[in-house]
Amino acid sequence: AQKITQTQPGMFVQEKEAVTLDCTYDTSDQSYGLFWYKQPSSGEMIFLIYQGSYDEQNATEGRYSLNFQKARKSANLVISASQLGDSAMYFCAMREDTFTSGTYKYIFGTGTRLKVLA
Amino acid sequence: GAGVSQTPSNKVTEKGKYVELRCDPISGHTALYWYRQSLGQGPEFLIYFQGTGAADDSGLPNDRFFAVRPEGSVSTLKIQRTERGDSAVYLCASSGRGGYNEQFFGPGTRLTVL
Repeated sequence: AQKITQTQPGMFVQEKEAVTLDCTYDTSDQSYGLFWYKQPSSGEMIFLIYQGSYDEQNATEGRYSLNFQKARKSANLVISASQLGDSAMYFCAMREDTFTSGTYKYIFGTGTRLKVLA
Repeated sequence: GAGVSQTPSNKVTEKGKYVELRCDPISGHTALYWYRQSLGQGPEFLIYFQGTGAADDSGLPNDRFFAVRPEGSVSTLKIQRTERGDSAVYLCASSGRGGYNEQFFGPGTRLTVL
């Protein structure tokens, strides 16, 4: 079973509009972390935003916010005021915490390709 | 350097050859991760180091793949008897707090097996 599911292979948004990229996850752990990364055509993965499983407030970083709905196991990324430079692949990732061994393993989704239209 | 570096940026090899891919993490980061990314896919976990030891190598596809991090800093991913299916971008990432913090990725090595 997929642990991270991104159901939107591609999305379009008009410049200056907001867009939501979906991510659902599957875990039975109480402690985990959720991340979003951006991968432009240059290929480098860029960290955008983080949400811990115990964080009660939704994370925000500038124009990025993470809509965390724990009961629904969703961690959608909201980009406000889209810019042409936001065109890229976006990956949702989950950190699986194993405190007994002190290890942290990451699982990535298949990504959503966002195209911002002028 | 300030970020994660990987060398070479591109590697073209012939089927059956041996290759080594190098990763130099951010100074002070104890956790180092290797991923493989095929076209149009997300990064696929290969192996994770904490310090010098492999904390989790469950993602290595078979015994042709091996990685080391002898001094807890630079890591080398080694692939023996390369196959065409090994062609992909190999990404390295490092993280603080043993892997708890966000990962910082290198630019990747694009491996092409002819």
